[in-house]
Amino acid sequence: GESVGLHLPTLSVQEGDNSIINCAYSNSASDYFIWYKQESGKGPQFIIDIRSNMDKRQGQRVTVLLNKTVKHLSLQIAATQPGDSAVYFCAEKDDKIIFGKGTRLHILP
Amino acid sequence: TAGITQAPTSQILAAGRSMTLRCTQDMRHNAMYWYRQDLGLGLRLIHYSNTAGTTGKGEVPDGYSVSRANTDDFPLTLASAVPSQTSVYFCASSRDRGDEQYFGPGTRLTVT
Repeated sequence: GESVGLHLPTLSVQEGDNSIINCAYSNSASDYFIWYKQESGKGPQFIIDIRSNMDKRQGQRVTVLLNKTVKHLSLQIAATQPGDSAVYFCAEKDDKIIFGKGTRLHILP
Repeated sequence: TAGITQAPTSQILAAGRSMTLRCTQDMRHNAMYWYRQDLGLGLRLIHYSNTAGTTGKGEVPDGYSVSRANTDDFPLTLASAVPSQTSVYFCASSRDRGDEQYFGPGTRLTVT
């Protein structure tokens, strides 16, 4: 069945280093993918999205990579800052949007 | 613009009581959603509405009802609360179904 999952529930990264958060999806018909960031006590917030006709998209300090061959999505955050501490969700869309369970990004001083 | 707002911020509710969680958006989005978020389970869709006047069931609809009388408001009602409905509830909206969703700040509900 459809599923969106994350390889690691918690990721600890040194401040200033790059972070890579991974996500696997199982529905090959999904044509749109989104990354959300959720800070403690707040609702999820859109970070970046990518359509299935692309394999890379860059934003400000963030890059999303899509590998349709292995149904893998990743979010790269450059020069990780304390404000990046949050739970990150990937989501895929075929007919409806399905959210993954989230990865907590912890920034080490 | 305020975006999407929810009320109340938090609530403690006795089991068996009813309650309505409010959600309002000012973005003129067609689609709206209610999710519950529980530790280890992520976001689970309760009910959704693709446009004013229509609603649909999500993944976990039992014990909840919704209405969409107009574009802006999408209240979620618990007719007779049970402790398993203790959760954080998020309302979201999107321009159309399947588009990027904008989330409210959430309502933390504790059913005792």
